[in-house]
Order: sequence, then structure tokens, then C-alpha cells
Amino acid sequence: QSVLTQPPSTSGTPGQKVTISCSGGHSNIGSDFVCWYQHVPGTAPKLLIYRNDERPSGVSDRFSGSKSGTSASLAISGLRSEDEAVYYCAAWDDSLRGWVFGGGTKVNVL
Amino acid sequence: QLVESGGGFIQPGGSLRLSCAGSGFTFSSYSMNWVRQAPGKGLEWVSYIGNSGRPIYYADSVKGRFTVSRDNGEKSVYLQMNSLRDEDTAVYYCTRDLRSYGLDVWGQGTTVTVSS
Repeated sequence: QSVLTQPPSTSGTPGQKVTISCSGGHSNIGSDFVCWYQHVPGTAPKLLIYRNDERPSGVSDRFSGSKSGTSASLAISGLRSEDEAVYYCAAWDDSLRGWVFGGGTKVNVL
Repeated sequence: QLVESGGGFIQPGGSLRLSCAGSGFTFSSYSMNWVRQAPGKGLEWVSYIGNSGRPIYYADSVKGRFTVSRDNGEKSVYLQMNSLRDEDTAVYYCTRDLRSYGLDVWGQGTTVTVSS
């Protein structure tokens, strides 16, 4: 059971926009920044969003993040087949003194 | 770049030591983490170590069994895993920690299989 809650899956057709939610608590999302990771099976996870809504160099602007209170979301616009992956939210938890992850959301491109 | 090694097949109750070698950055300036993914499961944070070797934190699931350490001269971080259980079976990743800027560099992972 993950500390952060994400839907297990979502789907969209090419060109559509999908949004992934991430719900946490006051000791993690409520008090610290949220990051998002993209994980394609068999490869290393990739940092997609940091500090709630910032993109590392090289990450497409089709990916955007936001945070409000104890929840966050990741939006993928202009969906492409190469976006098929599992997406994880994460935040530092001050009570647990460690990183907490969501359970992951599988994005399917139909 | 981060490169993990040391994974393998081990019986329950056994021990393994994972290593992670860093290159291309000033290793001693960064905190590091171990994160794992069990088969069919999501990412799970395992342990954190500060850039100078302190502070150190562990997930409850490994506390008392795993020990993290680092050697900045060797540009490496280690995870000593004792009293291994079936549920420790996973791909183990080491990651560079920029805290609010995220876990920005990940190794390719090393696989640990605990089974009798």
C-alpha cells in the first residue's frame, strides 16, 4: 500500500490529453515539493517533473505538473505512442524521513 | 552516470552487498538513495545517505537488516543486505538526490532474487 495514491491506469488516443492525479498528506505533498518519474519497463526511471511544475532540460513541454494542498497532478498533452509507460509521483515525507512514491499509473496509448 | 553491481540469487536468510559507482559528477557533493522495484510492483524507496555519510534513513521494511554506507574516495555507495527475505526480491536502483530538484540520475539497476 503506497503512501501516495494514484490511479492504476489511464488511456488516451494519440493527440489527446491525459491527467494523472496523486494524493498524499500533510507530511509529504502538503509540506514538500512533488516530483514525477516516467518508467519504461527494463529501463531506469526518468525524472520528468521536479519542484511541482518544473521540467529538467530535455523533457518535452507536453508534460506539465501542478500541486494544490496535499494533491498533485501530471498532464500529458498531445499524447504519443512513446508516452506509454508507468508514471510515479514522489515527495519527501518529513514524518517517515524518506521518499514516498505513488503506486504508479500505467498510461496506455490506444 | 551510476552503475550498480552485486545483485544475484540468494537463499532466504542470506546476505548480499550491492555497490553503486558514480562518475561524471562530484560524488561527494550529493546525497544518494537506494530505490527498489519488486516484480509486478511499483517503486519503493529503501534508504538515504547524506553526502558526508550522515544522515542515514531507512524504510521500515528494511530497518535493522540493511545498512547503507559510502566511500567518497571511491565514488561509491553500498547497500549491505542481511537476513534477506523473499519479499526483498527486486531490481535495486541507486539514485542521486537533489531533494526538491528530484532524484535526477538513476543507475540501470541490479537484480536481487531471494528464493529457496
